[in-house]
Amino acid sequence: GEEVAQTPKHLVRGEGQKAKLYCAPIKGHSYVFWYQQVLKNEFKFLISFQNENVFDETGMPKERFSAKCLPNSPCSLEIQATKLEDSAVYFCASSQRGYGEAFFGQGTRLTVV
Amino acid sequence: AQKVTQAQTEISVVEKEDVTLDCVYETRDTTYYLFWYKQPPSGELVFLIRRNSFDEQNEISGRYSWNFQKSTSSFNFTITASQVVDSAVYFCALSGPYSGNTPLVFGKGTRLSVIA
Repeated sequence: GEEVAQTPKHLVRGEGQKAKLYCAPIKGHSYVFWYQQVLKNEFKFLISFQNENVFDETGMPKERFSAKCLPNSPCSLEIQATKLEDSAVYFCASSQRGYGEAFFGQGTRLTVV
Repeated sequence: AQKVTQAQTEISVVEKEDVTLDCVYETRDTTYYLFWYKQPPSGELVFLIRRNSFDEQNEISGRYSWNFQKSTSSFNFTITASQVVDSAVYFCALSGPYSGNTPLVFGKGTRLSVIA
């Protein structure tokens, strides 16, 4: 596709439940990034992929967060046992091979209640 | 470590006024990229501009202009004759030498309110 597609747009989970977010990058883009935007507008980089391989996971809270980018499937970000502090907008972005700006999806708003 | 500072948390202007949003960055990279994004109330991130560190030429696009000064590590954004539709949160961001595969470091954003 010509745009980064994120689903769902909104997700509500009870504390302790699992949340799974999806991202379909632009066709032909090799890099996928996940960012978390918390309520005070701060962005936090979580993880990036080069094709199906993890490229940089320095921002990933590894205890409860996991992510995958498998061939012929949307990328996914999964949060096990969600906490109230996980409430945020999660953005996915994709870019071509190491150059050019990253294009952002519309975001998924996760609310943990 | 890379850092982006947007000192102005909120700005309010009356329609048709000019407004400048400040952005100061820190990086040890000799090659880097700077960005501005707009986030309207609907929540999506709208790409406005990308500038690489070798290009200090100022840029103008319609009512928008950007002033990049390496000497002061600043990349300021000016909106001329502001309009209500410009109301949004504006983010300045920085990436390393390869803007496509290094993550963006964002500032905390400046919320611009343009009042009719």
